[in-house]
Amino acid sequence: EVQLVQSGAEVKKPGESLKISCRGFGYTFSTDWIAWVRQMPGKGLEWMGIIYPADSDTTYNPPFQGQVTISADKSISTAYLQWSSLKASDTAMYYCLRSGSGYPPDWFDPWGQGTLVIVSS
Amino acid sequence: QSVLTQPPSVSAAPGQKVSISCSGSRSNIGDSYVSWYRQLPGTAPKLLIRENKNRPTGIPDRFSGSKSGVSATLGITGLQAGDEADYYCGAWDNSLNTYVFGTGTRVTV
Repeated sequence: EVQLVQSGAEVKKPGESLKISCRGFGYTFSTDWIAWVRQMPGKGLEWMGIIYPADSDTTYNPPFQGQVTISADKSISTAYLQWSSLKASDTAMYYCLRSGSGYPPDWFDPWGQGTLVIVSS
Repeated sequence: QSVLTQPPSVSAAPGQKVSISCSGSRSNIGDSYVSWYRQLPGTAPKLLIRENKNRPTGIPDRFSGSKSGVSATLGITGLQAGDEADYYCGAWDNSLNTYVFGTGTRVTV
């Protein structure tokens, strides 16, 4: 079974750094694009960016460029989303998702279970 | 930054049918495949329809998708209580060079 398993919930203070992870199982991780999506409390889905684990080629949605870093380690089938200095407005659920159609992506399946990030002083 | 517009909510009685529209532009729906996702309360979204009208393995034929021009539609027949969820459309936008999701539609049964 193809699945993406994300790291657990995090509670951080403003200004702290954070790196969350997404590990793939049941398929060749390095050759399928992995995207990240943000869902703020009570809101809709926002596509943050996408990475090709084989060579770490990355595309960001402009509003997220410079705000987060997407990376991957193909040797351990894991993608990452990281912040160098969190803000309260980063409080959200974050999902990783696998592109089922390469690049540009047409559809995503599966999705990870989500990582809740809470940033509060 | 939702550039795909959906109705905020739709409702129908059990066993009835609902249709959810997704309106975009030539740079997204007009030039790309549309996919649909269902998000049950407290869970991650799940793929329902890919490539405008194709159902992944395991998705019942009560769910259907269609596309015409710069709009797409998700249909759900034989509504069940378990269909109460948020539904999102999505497509690649060739002008923005990003993937875009719809505003989301809450289905109430």
